[in-house]
Parts: sequence; C-alpha cells; structure tokens
Amino acid sequence: EAQVTQNPRYLITVTGKKLTVTCSQNMNHEYMSWYRQDPGLGLRQIYYSMNVEVTDKGDVPEGYKVSRKEKRNFPLILESPSPNQTSLYFCASSVTGSEPRHEQYFGPGTRLTVT
Amino acid sequence: DAKTTQPPSMDCAEGRAANLPCNHSTISGNEYVYWYRQIHSQGPQYIIHGLKNNETNEMASLIITEDRKSSTLILPHATLRDTAVYYCIVRVATGSSNTGKLIFGQGTTLQVKP
Repeated sequence: EAQVTQNPRYLITVTGKKLTVTCSQNMNHEYMSWYRQDPGLGLRQIYYSMNVEVTDKGDVPEGYKVSRKEKRNFPLILESPSPNQTSLYFCASSVTGSEPRHEQYFGPGTRLTVT
Repeated sequence: DAKTTQPPSMDCAEGRAANLPCNHSTISGNEYVYWYRQIHSQGPQYIIHGLKNNETNEMASLIITEDRKSSTLILPHATLRDTAVYYCIVRVATGSSNTGKLIFGQGTTLQVKP
C-alpha cells in the first residue's frame, strides 16, 4: 500500500532531550516536507527536500534539523526541544517538487508534547 | 513571500454550493495557488491547483481573479462529508521556477448543515 509513515505517533518528552521523528514513504517520491500544526495558526512548513541531499527552509525552521540521505526517508530532528515545539507534526511527500500539480500525500501525524 | 488570508469559518446548506474565498494579494506572476482540506486531525488532502485560468476537477472548481489577487474554491453540491478545514496555499516561485516552499493560509472551517 502506498503510504507515508511517521514514528512515533505520540511522544511526550522533556525540555532539552534530543529526539528524532522519522518519516518514510514507499512511493519513490522526490519531494518531502515537514509541517507543524498549531491551534489558530493552521499548518506551517518547517523544512522541505526537493531530492536526496537537497533540503531547504520552510516558514518556521528554527529549532529543527532535517536530513535526506536516502530518497525514502526524511527524519525531523529536535536537538534541544522546548515547550513551544509542542505541536502536531505532519510529514508529506510528492512525486516531484518541480511540477505544477504537486499533489502531496500526508502521513498520519505525530503529536509531540514537550514539558 | 506571498501571504494568504481566509475567513476562519463558513456555513453551507447540504446540497448547495460552497464558495470559499482566499486573498493572496502579494502573489507573484509564477506562483501557483493550491487548495487542500483536512478532516479532523488527519493529514490534509489535495483538492485542486491553478495559476491563471479557472480549473475544474471531480472534486471542485477553482476561480482565480484576473489580477490573481484572490481566488475562490467552489464545491458545487456540498455534502455533510465536506465538513472540514480548507487551506488555501501559495507555492513560492523564484524567477520562473517553482520551489518547494508553501505558504499556508490559516484555513476556513466549513460546516455543512443538513
């Protein structure tokens, strides 16, 4: 089944403890992206990747890192999480980042709480 | 970067057309407009996209004004299952090239009522 998977789905952690949220897609998509969703603010893009080894900042990259060493995986790294990073996180992928259609397929979301 | 503005909420009667507006007055000439919707806290779902001309697919129609400063998503016969948050998105372009950077509006919560 074609899908985007995220792990973990739920995570409660403490301030400063490094964590990684994994994202994997099995559709051979070139483009991948991370978003956060907060009440009243909607969805905001954190980072995106047009292809392997190519990453760029989205709207809210501060406090996050990403890497794209393989086409299928795009992990989101929080080196020193803070409470303001408590949010619902979505990973998404698209066949390509350069074509007009750019239909993204989203993962199920990861709900992160930083205390 | 372009900014999108949407009303926070709208109601629509079942079976009637739902017209969801979006303002993107700072959009540049090569920047596409996309619409997605999100039901509950699931991942958003693609609906439609456009650049200058009006577009229609099996889900919806997209009307973009001639000056491209605003657009309207039309669900022609809304059903209860169309109740969702609808996002208007501008895709940033540099020169003539599309980037992967997307600017989301805050979304409109559409409530379809029986």
